[in-house]
Amino acid sequence: KAGVTQTPRYLIKTRGQQVTLSCSPISGHRSVSWYQQTPGQGLQFLFEYFSETQRNKGNFPGRFSGRQFSNSRSEMNVSTLELGDSALYLCASSLAFVENSPLHFGNGTRLTVT
Amino acid sequence: EDQVTQSPEALRLQEGESSSLNCSYTVSGLRGLFWYRQDPGKGPEFLFTLYSAGEEKEKERLKATLTKKESFLHITAPKPEDSATYLCAVSTSYGKLTFGQGTILTVHP
Repeated sequence: KAGVTQTPRYLIKTRGQQVTLSCSPISGHRSVSWYQQTPGQGLQFLFEYFSETQRNKGNFPGRFSGRQFSNSRSEMNVSTLELGDSALYLCASSLAFVENSPLHFGNGTRLTVT
Repeated sequence: EDQVTQSPEALRLQEGESSSLNCSYTVSGLRGLFWYRQDPGKGPEFLFTLYSAGEEKEKERLKATLTKKESFLHITAPKPEDSATYLCAVSTSYGKLTFGQGTILTVHP
């Protein structure tokens, strides 16, 4: 069974630009969550989608947004990039029928903002 | 606010030297406690879920236990391939995990 796939693996952008990251969940998983990982803050929750609806949101500014498609694939968008947005962005999927379904992570997209 | 604290920050062991990693948590309504392993350049890999105090789970050289305030990850006779960052996280809502800062484990041959 294929795992969570994230594209691209690496991305370099300039301050002020916007970026879109993509995530394909494990087949049959309908919940997709996004996390930001930095050396200083560790792993922080961005948002979670289920059946194309955002069910949960972390404490990030509105520049961070996401969406989920009918095939459960998800994208996240960051507008007006700042240097502090440089991080590893991780996508995770789960069965989501119960609140404590384990999350299965992809290998992330490494975003560098210059 | 939910909080997860892991200790130690880093742990160096000799091959075969057993030890434990600690994860203490403060949450309102624990729905599950998770252990993950993360290798450099990769996403976290799921290891265990624990749901209630007294529960224990084992996988190869790893054993996770849970009390009302903390969880332990016991590593028995570790090998160099067990070297990784071990992350503890608590679930309080759909898709939302609150992670600790992790313990960097290095096992020397």
